[in-house]
Formats: sequence, structure tokens, C-alpha cells
Amino acid sequence: GESVGLHLPTLSVQEGDNSIINCAYSNSASDYFIWYKQESGKGPQFIIDIRSNMDKRQGQRVTVLLNKTVKHLSLQIAATQPGDSAVYFCAETPFGNEKLTFGTGTRLTIIP
Amino acid sequence: GAVVSQHPSRVICKSGTSVKIECRSLDFQATTMFWYRQFPKQSLMLMATSNEGSKATYEQGVEKDKFLINHASLTLSTLTVTSAHPEDSSFYICSASSFGQINSPLHFGNGTRLTVT
Repeated sequence: GESVGLHLPTLSVQEGDNSIINCAYSNSASDYFIWYKQESGKGPQFIIDIRSNMDKRQGQRVTVLLNKTVKHLSLQIAATQPGDSAVYFCAETPFGNEKLTFGTGTRLTIIP
Repeated sequence: GAVVSQHPSRVICKSGTSVKIECRSLDFQATTMFWYRQFPKQSLMLMATSNEGSKATYEQGVEKDKFLINHASLTLSTLTVTSAHPEDSSFYICSASSFGQINSPLHFGNGTRLTVT
């Protein structure tokens, strides 16, 4: 079936460096994409979202890029901090459908 | 911002007993809530969609008689794991959607760690 997947299960980044987490999706009907951060023992925390009519969106220290041609999504975290260590999930849903499909997740570790 | 509260955060029960997990939207009305299950080091898998005032919609492979969902008000949905077995041990997470805000980010509770002995 349709799925959302990630290329890298783990990523280690030196504190202060930038990190990029990638996500591939296969559902061409996907219209809304979200990145979540999940710390150990907690629920997912919203980071940033993007709709399919955009290819880039920026937040505080985070940027999401969407390439609909190759069905690829990425999350860039600038100037990483120890608190950024967590598992990051991308999620997608077709417009008007709130049933999210989650990717497999990437564990980001920030090295002090 | 919108907050979803989940209770309890941890529960240990004996095999064969039932466990109820509550999911509340604290500062908004949630016509729809979602229940997810997450095994260690895995992603979230949607179990069911809980609709206020109507029956829940279960995903394929999820036993509706085992995972009872009730959404009696716009701020509360409950998931009851009936006749729990060790294989039901997992992290259960709910999320809620604000009324009328399609495609707004879903807000998640902090999950319930269920351990069945």
C-alpha cells in the first residue's frame, strides 16, 4: 500500500551544525505534510507543516522543503542544540483527510 | 496552544483484565480524535478514528471488540483495551483535531505506556 518512508534511521550531528532529515512519500494524493518531534516517552510534538502548493516553509531554526516531483520531503534544523535530540517523523495526508500516515522515523542525536 | 491530555501515563495490568485510557482536549472542541499504537523503535500506527456521537472507524486488522472506543463528548474519547494480553503491551497515543480546522496540525497526547503481565 501507500507508505511514507525515511532514508536514514539514525543521524548524529555535532552541536551547532545543521542537520537534514529526509522523507520519501509514495501517495501522490498527499497534500499536507507535517514534521513531528518525539522525545522518549512522550507523544509527537508538532514542528512545522507545509501544503502541496508550497515548496518551502521556514520556522524558527527549522525549514521544510517539499519536492512534489520526486515525492520528497526534508526537515532542516539549523544550529542544532542538545535539546534537538529526538526521533523525527514525517507525516502526510490527502487534503481534507486528517488520517495521518507516519514515516518510519529518524533518530537525531546531537553530539556535544 | 491546543493541549491534549492523556491519562494514565503508565499502567500495568494483569492478563485478562481491561484497561481504560482517556484522551481529553483541554482548550478546544475535538469532533474527531485518533488513536495510535506505537511499538518500541517503531512508528505510529493508526488504530481507529473516534467521532463524537457516532461509532469509531477502525483500521484494517484492528479488533473493534478488543479496543473499545467511546467519544461521548467534544472533549473526551476513551480507549478500553479489553481482556488484555502481553502482546497488547505498547505505547498508546491519542491525537485530536480542532473542530472546523481541516488540515490543521493534529495535537497529540503524551501517550500511555501499557504493560500487561
